[in-house]
Amino acid sequence: DTEVTQTPKHLVMGMTNKKSLKCEQHMGHRAMYWYKQKAKKPPELMFVYSYEKLSINESVPSRFSPECPNSSLLNLHLHALQPEDSALYLCASSQEPRGNTEAFFGQGTRLTVV
Amino acid sequence: QQQVKQSPQSLIVQKGGISIINCAYENTAFDYFPWYQQFPGKGPALLIAIRPDVSEKKEGRFTISFNKSAKQFSLHIMDSQPGDSATYFCAIGGFKTIFGAGTRLFVKA
Repeated sequence: DTEVTQTPKHLVMGMTNKKSLKCEQHMGHRAMYWYKQKAKKPPELMFVYSYEKLSINESVPSRFSPECPNSSLLNLHLHALQPEDSALYLCASSQEPRGNTEAFFGQGTRLTVV
Repeated sequence: QQQVKQSPQSLIVQKGGISIINCAYENTAFDYFPWYQQFPGKGPALLIAIRPDVSEKKEGRFTISFNKSAKQFSLHIMDSQPGDSATYFCAIGGFKTIFGAGTRLFVKA
């Protein structure tokens, strides 16, 4: 199983809503990542979890709150988002928490903030 | 600061032709140079990757050429097919992965 599964695939939320994105992998990878991708742009790193601990936060606003309940799951809690936060949110995982190993990406959650 | 520069931004190639995408990087601290392929509505998927101790790696129709002294690497897609139409990202990997801006490839049937 080389899949990273993300749910939901699409999400529309109002600026006062609270929602969560979920990500799951069963490859035994010890690093998991959240990326944000705007249209026609490359993925931008948001957070890195290494062995279930947050190791990198790329100065992401506090309205995005990551959580890693166990080695297979990664959540991204969303609260009070802005329309400019609308994007494709990608989860990824890799064997080791470094950029020099293959990263496996999920299909993403297409988020629209209204 | 743009650590990896990718060109061209878009590319149109005839079926059967060769697609060439180039990347240049600045920081020599990286030791992994992957190429990712992304179709609309999907996440990126690793296509092929190279480490700096080799100058070329070939997998099927896809070849990475790596020039360490020039700090450049390129992706060659031989016998390009319409199914190759996608966005291609080069990346540099070390402590973390940094992506190039992407190249939108369209292969005409």
